[in-house]
Amino acid sequence: QQQVKQSPQSLIVQKGGISIINCAYENTAFDYFPWYQQFPGKGPALLIAIRPDVSEKKEGRFTISFNKSAKQFSLHIMDSQPGDSATYFCAAYGSGNTGKLIFGQGTTLQVKP
Amino acid sequence: KAGVTQTPRYLIKTRGQQVTLSCSPISGHRSVSWYQQTPGQGLQFLFEYFSETQRNKGNFPGRFSGRQFSNSRSEMNVSTLELGDSALYLCASSLAGEYYEQYFGPGTRLTVT
Repeated sequence: QQQVKQSPQSLIVQKGGISIINCAYENTAFDYFPWYQQFPGKGPALLIAIRPDVSEKKEGRFTISFNKSAKQFSLHIMDSQPGDSATYFCAAYGSGNTGKLIFGQGTTLQVKP
Repeated sequence: KAGVTQTPRYLIKTRGQQVTLSCSPISGHRSVSWYQQTPGQGLQFLFEYFSETQRNKGNFPGRFSGRQFSNSRSEMNVSTLELGDSALYLCASSLAGEYYEQYFGPGTRLTVT
């Protein structure tokens, strides 16, 4: 019930293409869903986040789509660039579990020029 | 505003030794969470501190402990190191009341030989 399942494990996209990463959860107590981007040798950086009362949130080239009934959410990276090559983690947070983010296993994205 | 800082960045220890890692949160952030990141297990929550009190703890053995000081700086300690403790240890800070929006430091890479 505390898991967040992320797919695919790795992804290769051509420059200018759309990258899509999916996550699924079971615990309906989760009320905040962030995405993090991590470059080698760095800590995860908060990219974009959504609450379950919103179906979509867009920030620049990054969009989160949220399907509450299916308990799924996804990250779309439009016009993918080589500089987007990194590992992406989805996560979930429940207010009843203070300070604890539960992470998906991560997706390694490679954008080919 | 300066980000989360962690010291040291790299550490090599021998089995059976103990280690202390330090984390300075973003100015004004009073909550600090610690995570362990490994290739096999991904990002796993260790514990969270607020106002010098541990409020939440993950599923790690008692060899892992932490504390927080009055200036919100935090330390974590691992005693009797095992080879499996080799990992990237990350701390994240957040504002009071916004414990879901966590900002990560660069991590401390611990290698146990």
